Amino acid sequence: QAQLAESGGGVVQPGGSLRLSCAASGFNFSRYGMHWVRQAPGKGLEWVTFIRYDGNNEYYADSVKGRFTISRDNSKNTLYLEMNSLRPEDTAVYYCASQRFDFWGQGTLVTVSS
Amino acid sequence: NFILTQPHSVSESPGKTVTISCTRSSGNFASDYVQWCQQRPGSSPTTVIYEDDQRPSGIPDRFSGSIDSSSNSASLTISGLRTEDEADYYCQSYDSSNHRWVFGGGTKLTVL
Repeated sequence: QAQLAESGGGVVQPGGSLRLSCAASGFNFSRYGMHWVRQAPGKGLEWVTFIRYDGNNEYYADSVKGRFTISRDNSKNTLYLEMNSLRPEDTAVYYCASQRFDFWGQGTLVTVSS
Repeated sequence: NFILTQPHSVSESPGKTVTISCTRSSGNFASDYVQWCQQRPGSSPTTVIYEDDQRPSGIPDRFSGSIDSSSNSASLTISGLRTEDEADYYCQSYDSSNHRWVFGGGTKLTVL
């Protein structure tokens, strides 16, 4: 059974950095593109970024472009999200999801606050 | 760029049928697939419809999706409503013009 497990969330000050991880199991991770999607408290879903199955192409929402970097290590079945220059409006639960949104993780909470 | 507009909320009684709409502001749904996600309170999202009208394994056939090209809208229909269907539902599509994935604002379904 396919599973995705995010980790790395926490509280960080504005301007700070954080790295999220998403461990995949139960499916052939290296054959799937992967997304990060976030949800601010009480708000809807917002797509953040996508990486191709082989890591050769990445796409970003305008709200995070230049500050966030998506990457993956297919040998470790793991997806990453490096977040820099964090702002209070980045506060959200961050989910990883597979290319067609077949599989979703349980999410990890990032809080940006002084 | 386009946006997807959904009604903020809908409600219906158990056993009845409800339809949730998703209207695309520009462009054409025929060019990009629509997905529908269900998010129950306190849970992560799960996909109930992909590629306009396909159900993932494990999703009952009470859930169906369709596209209306004339109105440039997509619909999620849930028949035989159950209290467990009470959730937020999001439509989602891909903007091939700029490689972005777009979510609608979500619709809160109340089954009462």
